[in-house]
Amino acid sequence: DAKTTQPPSMDCAEGRAANLPCNHSTISGNEYVYWYRQIHSQGPQYIIHGLKNNETNEMASLIITEDRKSSTLILPHATLRDTAVYYCIVLSRGGGTSYGKLTFGQGTILTVHP
Amino acid sequence: GAVVSQHPSWVICKSGTSVKIECRSLDFQATTMFWYRQFPKQSLMLMATSNEGSKATYEQGVEKDKFLINHASLTLSTLTVTSAHPEDSSFYICSTGTNTEAFFGQGTRLTVV
Repeated sequence: DAKTTQPPSMDCAEGRAANLPCNHSTISGNEYVYWYRQIHSQGPQYIIHGLKNNETNEMASLIITEDRKSSTLILPHATLRDTAVYYCIVLSRGGGTSYGKLTFGQGTILTVHP
Repeated sequence: GAVVSQHPSWVICKSGTSVKIECRSLDFQATTMFWYRQFPKQSLMLMATSNEGSKATYEQGVEKDKFLINHASLTLSTLTVTSAHPEDSSFYICSTGTNTEAFFGQGTRLTVV
């Protein structure tokens, strides 16, 4: 699976958009970009994933560059509860339950302040 | 989506004792489950892969005799930390998944005193 690079930390004001970047320059054609987050002392939580096209769900938007070498997770209106470590993970979608295995980098610590 | 329930959420034990952590897949038949460990201010590190009906596979550096894994059914995997020592104090997390998404337990905070 491709390696990802994220800034170690970011700050965001409550109510503003939080834009979290991720570089994955070695991504291959069949690899997806996934985002998870981990609130302190909890298990990781799925946020969103994409292959080529931009994606949006009730939690966030994912913008993937045309060359797929980088992406940005956007939390449109950050709240204090969005303070967490955000992990960008690139991997192939395999079959069956093998997908539960993820390789986590250091992630980005997002701090949302009042 | 599938829900993974992990128990207990926290445990304090004496050095030298054993602790069992359970991971249940509530609405999903999990032939494979994964166990991670997370030390303070560090990322999650995969410890082992739990396979239903067969032996678990361990990542390099993880002692299989110390971290016993049992996956006797499609809905339950257990991790037993044997002869626990203070350096085993950590946050342990299990997961399973489909070919589109991973589901994580709530995690277990183990403190060995």
